[in-house]
Amino acid sequence: DTGVSQDPRHKITKRGQNVTFRCDPISEHNRLYWYRQTLGQGPEFLTYFQNEAQLEKSRLLSDRFSAERPKGSFSTLEIQRTEQGDSAMYLCASSFFGNQETQYFGPGTRLLVL
Amino acid sequence: QQQVKQSPQSLIVQKGGISIINCAYENTAFDYFPWYQQFPGKGPALLIAIRPDVSEKKEGRFTISFNKSAKQFSLHIMDSQPGDSATYFCAAYTGNQFYFGTGTSLTVIP
Repeated sequence: DTGVSQDPRHKITKRGQNVTFRCDPISEHNRLYWYRQTLGQGPEFLTYFQNEAQLEKSRLLSDRFSAERPKGSFSTLEIQRTEQGDSAMYLCASSFFGNQETQYFGPGTRLLVL
Repeated sequence: QQQVKQSPQSLIVQKGGISIINCAYENTAFDYFPWYQQFPGKGPALLIAIRPDVSEKKEGRFTISFNKSAKQFSLHIMDSQPGDSATYFCAAYTGNQFYFGTGTSLTVIP
């Protein structure tokens, strides 16, 4: 078990472009969370999945953001028509349903929108 | 609004000293309070956690003190070491969501 992995680790894009990030959780972890973290702030909840079902989305989440977890394993987070304000670290975390409070974070994907 | 308020924003401690970071919350529905450690370029890692029915929890050099009536909890790092230099986040959990503090940047001077 290698922990939560995220790809890519860094992404530079131009304003208006679409980007997609991938998260591979720890195997058998059926909960998967996406967070956004800006400089000097704590992680901010975006959305979470239990298996393949997306159960909750932050009210702050723009409709330009969409997330999927089609087979209940890996997940993707897509940002359409990126804006400079989307520049942040995007973190993924997973947990096991029987111990859902114990989250394991991935290393994050750092996005820079020019 | 910030559901969990964390202070101080930054902290400098001499090696061997005690580092203390404080957090406060309002929502009494929170039922789990973890602390995370984050190094530059890495994701947060769970350090220690407590539930509100316990007033203190200790794991090695790390201790959480919890005051339910005051809705406050704190992290104490005993015998602080340069390797402890990192950003620390408190968090609170309810309703399948975590709410994080704004972080404390700890620097331990040799």
